[in-house]
Order: sequence, then structure tokens, then C-alpha cells
Amino acid sequence: GQQVMQIPQYQHVQEGEDFTTYCNSSTTLSNIQWYKQRPGGHPVFLIQLVKSGEVKKQKRLTFQFGEAKKNSSLHITATQTTDVGTYFCAVSGGSYIPTFGRGTSLIVHP
Amino acid sequence: DGGITQSPKYLFRKEGQNVTLSCEQNLNHDAMYWYRQDPGQGLRLIYYSQIVNDFQKGDIAEGYSVSREKKESFPLTVTSAQKNPTAFYLCASSIDRNNEQFFGPGTRLTVL
Repeated sequence: GQQVMQIPQYQHVQEGEDFTTYCNSSTTLSNIQWYKQRPGGHPVFLIQLVKSGEVKKQKRLTFQFGEAKKNSSLHITATQTTDVGTYFCAVSGGSYIPTFGRGTSLIVHP
Repeated sequence: DGGITQSPKYLFRKEGQNVTLSCEQNLNHDAMYWYRQDPGQGLRLIYYSQIVNDFQKGDIAEGYSVSREKKESFPLTVTSAQKNPTAFYLCASSIDRNNEQFFGPGTRLTVL
């Protein structure tokens, strides 16, 4: 399957600071999906990116797909305690089923 | 009320026993998946099925078995051959492999 690197593994921020997680692949991707898992919960789908250079926004969350379709980022502006959780990317290319990154755990300090 | 259900939420078993985790969906999805989650490991794919009566091994299938006799159901059996079965198990479904996955609440299995 696809190989994907997600960084950082953990990120501590003060409430109100921004946060970014990155997802990188060595191969061209068909699409990328982002999920959020709250502590003790299950992953919940956030968004899917398909087009090269695509940028999508959901309130304080901004998702980008790289021009070469090999990387993606999730940026949260002015974090809140409700943003706490682990953010996963899931990548797929061609005939492969989606492969999940290891996730970035966001810890927000009030 | 559509969704995907897993039961039980917590499961305890003695070492050497086989155990079957249930996963049911009423979303009319063709594709279903089983993942294992360990701390710091993300989601690792055990098995997936793209259609009834067909399934493929994922990255860590050894010690596990599945069946897909009905579209709605995709049970996972953790056999005694699985060396380290204690983990959080997540089932998911999607319309097809290129679309978003819907996850069940998970089953936390502890083998004593």
C-alpha cells in the first residue's frame, strides 16, 4: 500500500496559538482524507481533497493539497480546547485503499 | 438512524481463547474495514472487504480472520495465534475505497 509520513507526532500549544500538521508521501496521490479522533473516541471524517493545489476551509481549519499531490497540511487558527485530539491523514493512490498516517496528537493548554 | 455499530465496547478474554468482534452497518456501504489501534501506532489495517463474499488481507492480518456473508456484517475473529491481541479495534465502512470512511465506536479487547 501507500506509505505516508505524518508530522509532528505530538504538538503542545497554548490556547489561541495556531497549529499545523503535515502529511507527506513519496508517490502521487489520488486523494487525501483528514480525520479527527477525540480522546477515547473514534475517528471522524473531516474532509477529502482531490485536486492539485486545492485549499478548503472549515471555520478555523484550513486544508491544503500540494501542487504535486504528494503532500497535504491541516492548519488550525487560534486553537481552542475543543480542538484537542489526534488528527489523521489517509492517503490513497490508484488501486490502493486508503492508508492512514500515524496521526498528530494536539494538546491545547488553557 | 443510520450508522455503524460495534459490540461490545469492552471485552476481556483469557489467553488462548478465540474471540469474535461484531461490526454491523446499515449505511448500505459496499466496503468495510477492520483496524487495530495501539498507542502511538495510528490505525493499522487488518482486513478489508470491497464486496460481499470477498475480502483481502491488510498489513497485519496474521492471527485474525474475517467473513463477509452479508453486506451489513463484517465480524472479526481474533485467534489464539495472534501474539499480542490486547488493543483497540475499530471497524469502518465506506461507499467504496475512494470515499470517506465511517467508523464504529470501537471495541477495547484485553487478553489476560
